[in-house]
Amino acid sequence: ETGVTQTPRHLVMGMTNKKSLKCEQHLGHNAMYWYKQSAKKPLELMFVYNFKEQTENNSVPSRFSPECPNSSHLFLHLHTLQPEDSALYLCASSQDPGVITDTQYFGPGTRLTVL
Amino acid sequence: GQNIDQPTEMTATEGAIVQINCTYQTSGFNGLFWYQQHAGEAPTFLSYNVLDGLEEKGRFSSFLSRSKGYSYLLLKELQMKDSASYLCAVLDSNYQLIWGAGTKLIIKP
Repeated sequence: ETGVTQTPRHLVMGMTNKKSLKCEQHLGHNAMYWYKQSAKKPLELMFVYNFKEQTENNSVPSRFSPECPNSSHLFLHLHTLQPEDSALYLCASSQDPGVITDTQYFGPGTRLTVL
Repeated sequence: GQNIDQPTEMTATEGAIVQINCTYQTSGFNGLFWYQQHAGEAPTFLSYNVLDGLEEKGRFSSFLSRSKGYSYLLLKELQMKDSASYLCAVLDSNYQLIWGAGTKLIIKP
């Protein structure tokens, strides 16, 4: 595997379900990100981890719970979601967020539908 | 507040040239990124500009004017595979990326 991978690619869940999204980066990067992408809206940054430590939490509802066990893996645990949470969830990684030329590399995303 | 504006959708003809504009108002400026995103796929990095001027990379070029808060992505010799969304993002003074909503480019034969 190369780059950034995400599983599952598609997920349909009910509002009472609990599920997890997984992201893995094979680039040796130090930082990982979760974004939400809704149609015709800008990417919304949800969480940032740098060297496994959470450095950003952009007022995300507690029904989204991130976990970063190491610099290569990132999870997003989901529970009691709402239909408006349906979106494409993108994971990204980068080498060093403190450097201005730092470039984020994205995974293909998980298309989430909440019924 | 911080804001990135780009057209929602553009249409162009195969073999032609198209310019996708991006204007921004952000808290500070540490560079501007362009990404390409095909439907159902990951955004992929195209270019980064931090100084004024034009940067050319094959068929794609990116221009920046910091005084005008303006950038454009120029695509030459358009191919059908260039049909995608093009995302503009600015790195602000807090090293956070501020994203535009993207421009969907439709290429017609």
